[in-house]
Amino acid sequence: EIVMTQSPATLSVSPGERATLSCRASQSVSLNLAWYQQKPGQAPRLLIYDASTRASTRAPASTRATGIPARFSGSGSGTEFTLTISSLQSEDFAIYYCQQYNNWPWTFGQGTKVEIK
Amino acid sequence: QVQLQESGPGLVKPSQTLSLTCTVSGGSISSGNYHWNWIRQPAGKGLEWIGRIYTSGTININPSLKSRVTTSVDTSKNQFSLKLRSVTAADTAVYFCARSLAGTVGYWGQGILVTVSS
Repeated sequence: EIVMTQSPATLSVSPGERATLSCRASQSVSLNLAWYQQKPGQAPRLLIYDASTRASTRAPASTRATGIPARFSGSGSGTEFTLTISSLQSEDFAIYYCQQYNNWPWTFGQGTKVEIK
Repeated sequence: QVQLQESGPGLVKPSQTLSLTCTVSGGSISSGNYHWNWIRQPAGKGLEWIGRIYTSGTININPSLKSRVTTSVDTSKNQFSLKLRSVTAADTAVYFCARSLAGTVGYWGQGILVTVSS
């Protein structure tokens, strides 16, 4: 199976600052990479799919998720991916997971915790 | 707005079978090009995809669990289910049911904690 490795494990950031999270795949996943946000006691929430598409850009009827703020952006392809949060808001402090869906079984990274500095 | 809700026992004895059901509301489980999934998360740890099923009956199970997992769908009840046999303490986790489209999950259940203990 494809192993997803996220770094750093913990990222300490002040509100209003930029956060950059990394995700590396053990083999190419093309653009089949998603990012999720998870807060304590909640299910994950889809932020980005196809490496760089914010979920809110899809039509609501068939979308995989809606309402993702523009401060979240994704980039990368192949084995190296980045999630950027341009200006951290208080509600953004959470754990972020990347997930590949290029090869079954779909697999997640171990997560990056974004905490308040 | 589609909603998913897991149900089942919160406590299962070692070596027994964990059985969960996911009830889908706000839409037909048969409509759209969706997979219906089970994903689990041990406390304080990451996420593991258990398996997925189409309403056509196509099933994919994580090879690491394939020998112990059965999943099925009941379109008449708008439900799908998970059975995990021969459980051990390592199977203690929050189990999520979820709807995915082309490999990504847009809708999740709230999750159900299942503890394996005698």
